[in-house]
Amino acid sequence: QVQLVQSGAEVKKPGASVKVSCTASGYTFTSYGIDWVRQAPGQGLEWMGWISAYDGDTNYAQNLQGRVTMTTDTSTNTAYMELRSLRSNDTAVYYCARAIYLGLNDYWGQGTLVTVSS
Amino acid sequence: DIVMTQSPDSLAVSLGERATINCKSSQSVLYSSNNKNYLAWYQQKPGQPPKLIIYWASTRESGVPDRFSGSGSGTDFTLTISSLQAEDVAVYYCQQFYGTPRTFGQGTKVEIK
Repeated sequence: QVQLVQSGAEVKKPGASVKVSCTASGYTFTSYGIDWVRQAPGQGLEWMGWISAYDGDTNYAQNLQGRVTMTTDTSTNTAYMELRSLRSNDTAVYYCARAIYLGLNDYWGQGTLVTVSS
Repeated sequence: DIVMTQSPDSLAVSLGERATINCKSSQSVLYSSNNKNYLAWYQQKPGQPPKLIIYWASTRESGVPDRFSGSGSGTDFTLTISSLQAEDVAVYYCQQFYGTPRTFGQGTKVEIK
């Protein structure tokens, strides 16, 4: 069965960086992309970007350009999302999701809470 | 950016009754070359990730009960739950995957009356 397992919760100070991992199993990793979506506490869903697990091509949300980097490691079937220069409003649950089409997601990770606080 | 606007923000429906959620996009999400609407609906229960229930505006995801249906084209879409069950209590989001950035509606909270 398809599973996406994310790394654990993180607490970071403003200005720091965080790197969240997402390990896939149950399907051919390179046949799909991975989207990253975040959700601030009590708020809606925000698409952050997409990466092709086949060739590493990326498409980032404009408002995060320059602060976010998405990568994959096909040897371990793992996707990574690094967000730099963290601010308090980056506090959110970060989800990875398998993309059957860029932005269309059929399986999701369990979410990783990232808290940014001084 | 394509702005997705849902209505209402919340609704309370009696068990067994119909629930209807509307979603309007600021521009068409219908791709003329394949006549597909790049519109999906997700269900999110508290403490859980979203779950895909409808895509291409009206195609039900595998395993989703047939009381869920999607309709609409272009800029106006509807999610209907024909007979609300207790397990349908959740927040529902529409999302366009036509243009980037992908954008979601603000969500509609469905509760039992």
